[in-house]
Amino acid sequence: GAGVSQSPSNKVTEKGKDVELRCDPISGHTALYWYRQSLGQGLEFLIYFQGNSAPDKSGLPSDRFSAERTGGSVSTLTIQRTQQEDSAVYLCASSPGGPRVYNEQFFGPGTRLTVL
Amino acid sequence: AQSVTQLDSHVSVSEGTPVLLRCNYSSSYSPSLFWYVQHPNKGLQLLLKYTSAATLVKGINGFEAEFKKSETSFHLTKPSAHMSDAAEYFCVVSEKRGSQGNLIFGKGTKLSVKP
Repeated sequence: GAGVSQSPSNKVTEKGKDVELRCDPISGHTALYWYRQSLGQGLEFLIYFQGNSAPDKSGLPSDRFSAERTGGSVSTLTIQRTQQEDSAVYLCASSPGGPRVYNEQFFGPGTRLTVL
Repeated sequence: AQSVTQLDSHVSVSEGTPVLLRCNYSSSYSPSLFWYVQHPNKGLQLLLKYTSAATLVKGINGFEAEFKKSETSFHLTKPSAHMSDAAEYFCVVSEKRGSQGNLIFGKGTKLSVKP
């Protein structure tokens, strides 16, 4: 079946512009995560959606970052007034819902964001 | 709080020789542990996971890892490296967030395989 997809695969923008990154999770997966991977770093958790519950935004680095998930499926990560330090690969992952704590997360290919 | 430390940022081996990628974790309770692999320009793929069943876990592509609670380690091994194993490997510990698990990633180990 189809995996997690993300678009665009690459995005180059100018400092100060807003960007939107899209994630299509695996159909039926109720949990969705956003991560950021900077050069030479591990993955940094940004935000987590679980079904219709309020999202866990504790990983967002500043109020310039926001995300929404419409209809429990597609998610959009928005970065306002981009800065050069926002340059990174943004990864989306989804996993099956339910009470299990240790579900595998399935990752998309990522969006490489470059802020000039 | 949980954390994970990958002891080597870069490991280089010759094709056909064993691979050892080291990982230590800290956790206040029984963790779940994962190894993910990331090939260049590809998404992260799960290699294997430990979730309190057998301590020796077998994964894809001939990799395995052993959970050692006394050493708080979860090292990844493979008896014989293949050129296609060249990639970045991430050790991951699961942290409970609500009813789902969030993943705490190590900084990664880049594996190079020489012919």
